[in-house]
Amino acid sequence: RKEVEQDPGPFNVPEGATVAFNCTYSNSASQSFFWYRQDCRKEPKLLMSVYSSGNEDGRFTAQLNRASQYISLLIRDSKLSDSATYLCVVNEREGSARQLTFGSGTQLTVLP
Amino acid sequence: EAGVVQSPRYKIIEKKQPVAFWCNPISGHNTLYWYRQNLGQGPELLIRYENEEAVDDSQLPKDRFSAERLKGVDSTLKIQPAELGDSAVYLCASSRLAGGEEQFFGPGTRLTVL
Repeated sequence: RKEVEQDPGPFNVPEGATVAFNCTYSNSASQSFFWYRQDCRKEPKLLMSVYSSGNEDGRFTAQLNRASQYISLLIRDSKLSDSATYLCVVNEREGSARQLTFGSGTQLTVLP
Repeated sequence: EAGVVQSPRYKIIEKKQPVAFWCNPISGHNTLYWYRQNLGQGPELLIRYENEEAVDDSQLPKDRFSAERLKGVDSTLKIQPAELGDSAVYLCASSRLAGGEEQFFGPGTRLTVL
């Protein structure tokens, strides 16, 4: 079983739509969580961290459910420029070591 | 502020040949990561350095892969000999601290092994 699982998509939505991505993680000791965005043939870039209380940044809302071990990303009023792959990232602890584990990504295409 | 620099951006080699990738992290970032990203997949960690010490190399295929970060700044990742399955994008990232800090990625080196 993958440590971090995401629906690969693709999600094709019209401009202005609301779209949500979910991600599940297997390690209950995971400590911190992030969403990264990766444009085609570009490097990943941090979109937002995910806090236990949930957090919002403009049109983007991230939520964490520790009991069910999933995190979500909601994008409201989708723009063409939101088209990208969204990577769910989990900071896991193995003993004293910590490392980021990336999901395979969910591909989003916003259509005009 | 300059970002993470990687070179070369593209590399095409024949199998069994050696190849090396170079990374210069953001100034002041003590932690450096090498990732491999296959098409349609997320990045997979190969090795993590804290200063010049490799603190996590459990995913590095040590029979053919090696890495070094001699002075705790720039780093080199080497594959010798390369195999067809090594074709991927090799990403370098750095962060100021280890663990939950934001990682900044370089543009990557796209390796094609023929």
